[in-house]
Amino acid sequence: DTGVSQNPRHKITKRGQNVTFRCDPISEHNRLYWYRQTLGQGPEFLTYFQNEAQLEKSRLLSDRFSAERPKGSFSTLEIQRTEQGDSAMYLCASSVVGQGSYEQYFGPGTRLTVT
Amino acid sequence: AQSVAQPEDQVNVAEGNPLTVKCTYSVSGNPYLFWYVQYPNRGLQFLLKYITGDNLVKGSYGFEAEFNKSQTSFHLKKPSALVSDSALYFCAVRALTGGGNKLTFGTGTQLKVEL
Repeated sequence: DTGVSQNPRHKITKRGQNVTFRCDPISEHNRLYWYRQTLGQGPEFLTYFQNEAQLEKSRLLSDRFSAERPKGSFSTLEIQRTEQGDSAMYLCASSVVGQGSYEQYFGPGTRLTVT
Repeated sequence: AQSVAQPEDQVNVAEGNPLTVKCTYSVSGNPYLFWYVQYPNRGLQFLLKYITGDNLVKGSYGFEAEFNKSQTSFHLKKPSALVSDSALYFCAVRALTGGGNKLTFGTGTQLKVEL
């Protein structure tokens, strides 16, 4: 399967701990996005990369959040000093620039529970 | 700022009947519009998009959507619903700021198709 993959699928952590999630986009997709989805809401944009450059960050992305895409392939999202309000589904998506496509393809998500 | 409204939290329809899931949007400039479907504990699956051209766009699984610029709407339709269509549906609009292609989503509409 050549879709977007995310690991882990589920993460339970205690408040104050750090967590890291990984996203592997569709091969050759040069744009990679992170979204957060809470219960009863649509996904909310967090940040995106074009190749290895982080081009935009949402105000939702506090200083405790950091994302990287060091080689322009996979990406990691780290949350430091987790809080209960960080509990959500974290979705990764990828797309390709040009070719008139525009749509983003989403991974299955990582569900984070902070206790 | 761009936004999407999905006025119905839930839509119920009998199998075999036509279905409509409503979406209205607000965006500066030309809208790029999308529909996604989400099954429980899964990521979002792309259904269809409107970029330009014909106002009626066709997508996966027999779904179609009608773009209406004067009413700023992009309603999702299917002529004959299936029980397997039961899922959470999201409408999304492309934000044009920064050229980043990030998506702004509605809050979702739960579709329930009953026998």
